Amino acid sequence: EVQLVESGGGSVQPGGSLRLSCAASGFTFSSRTMHWVRQAPGKGLEWVSYITSSGTTIYYADSVRDRFTISRDNAKNSLYLQMNSLRVEDTAVYYCTSDRNYVWFDPWGLGTLVTVSS
Amino acid sequence: QSALTQPASVSGSPGQSITISCTGTSSDVGAYNYVSWFQQHPGKAPRVMIYEVSNRPSGVSNRFSGSKSGNTASLTISGLQAEDEADYYCISYTSSKIVVFGGGTKVTVL
Repeated sequence: EVQLVESGGGSVQPGGSLRLSCAASGFTFSSRTMHWVRQAPGKGLEWVSYITSSGTTIYYADSVRDRFTISRDNAKNSLYLQMNSLRVEDTAVYYCTSDRNYVWFDPWGLGTLVTVSS
Repeated sequence: QSALTQPASVSGSPGQSITISCTGTSSDVGAYNYVSWFQQHPGKAPRVMIYEVSNRPSGVSNRFSGSKSGNTASLTISGLQAEDEADYYCISYTSSKIVVFGGGTKVTVL
């Protein structure tokens, strides 16, 4: 079964850090560009970051650049998002998704909730 | 990079057809045929309905179709059904090599 499972979400105070993980199975993880997408409560989808299959190319949304770091371990079929200097506005469900070909995002994980609050 | 522009809401009666627009610029929607559409039911993860402007993944009903003209992409749902009531998002690859979502459209089946 093709599957992505996120973990690592939780509650943190402003300025804190969290590391999200995404475990992939059922497809050739090492050949896919991977993305993180988030959705604030009651809001729309927001692209966060992507990393190419080999990990050599990385891009970030302006809203998270210099605070978040995306990485991957192809040997472990895993994607990561290190989130530092968290802000209240980073509160969201974070999804990982696989890019089959230029924004053909499939599959998606079920998401993990990150809550930043004092 | 600004979000793509979608109508906040679209509604239709069962059996009717509706079209959702997604307007960008010559640097995103107009630049490439890399536009996808996603359906999201409340509390669920998004699901791809259309990729590369007009391609339907296996398992997606042929009632869903996509097109593009200039800087505007469109998703049409024909033969509207109650199960189509959901939020729909477009996304495009951009010339800056990042991606951008639309703001989302809530589809209501009357």
